[in-house]
Amino acid sequence: GDSVTQMEGPVTLSEEAFLTINCTYTATGYPSLFWYVQYPGEGLQLLLKATKADDKGSNKGFEATYRKETTSFHLEKGSVQVSDSAVYFCALKAAGNKLTFGGGTRVLVKP
Amino acid sequence: GAVVSQHPSRVICKSGTSVKIECRSLDFQATTMFWYRQFPKQSLMLMATSNEGSKATYEQGVEKDKFLINHASLTLSTLTVTSAHPEDSSFYICSALRTSGRVDEQFFGPGTRLTVL
Repeated sequence: GDSVTQMEGPVTLSEEAFLTINCTYTATGYPSLFWYVQYPGEGLQLLLKATKADDKGSNKGFEATYRKETTSFHLEKGSVQVSDSAVYFCALKAAGNKLTFGGGTRVLVKP
Repeated sequence: GAVVSQHPSRVICKSGTSVKIECRSLDFQATTMFWYRQFPKQSLMLMATSNEGSKATYEQGVEKDKFLINHASLTLSTLTVTSAHPEDSSFYICSALRTSGRVDEQFFGPGTRLTVL
């Protein structure tokens, strides 16, 4: 079946540091790939997405590129802020509208 | 983005009682809603797909008689945890599917933390 694997956290960074969260997937066919963010006390929000190979999703300074050859969708941000502290989920959507989530990565950015 | 609410945000109940959780799409109609369960420090697990006007579709391993889902209107789905036990304690999250032309997107509620004593 479909699955998503992402690096375990927590990831602790200083403000303005570079952030990478690795995500790899297993799926049949050609899934769409997503990153969701969950801020403390809030629901999941879509951060960015990519629907086909080599697409790059970007939002709020975050980027991720759909790499079919490595089945990866790593999330990056060049300079994190304290407000980026949250839990980040990588997810895929294959056939239909069901989302398969990775385990989540907690990111803590310290001033 | 679209807004999805859940009520209550947290509930504590005694073992053996039933608990109802509501999920509402506030500014769009949703024929499809999803219910997830999130264990501490773990990912979201899809429990069931709720379809307006028809029976819910449950994922493998999810007890239909224990987790009753009703999607009676285009803006409301409810999850009832029947005869709750401590092992049902968890964070329950719903999402509503907004369809807009060729693009479908799930919008998530803030979650409901259930604690069964």
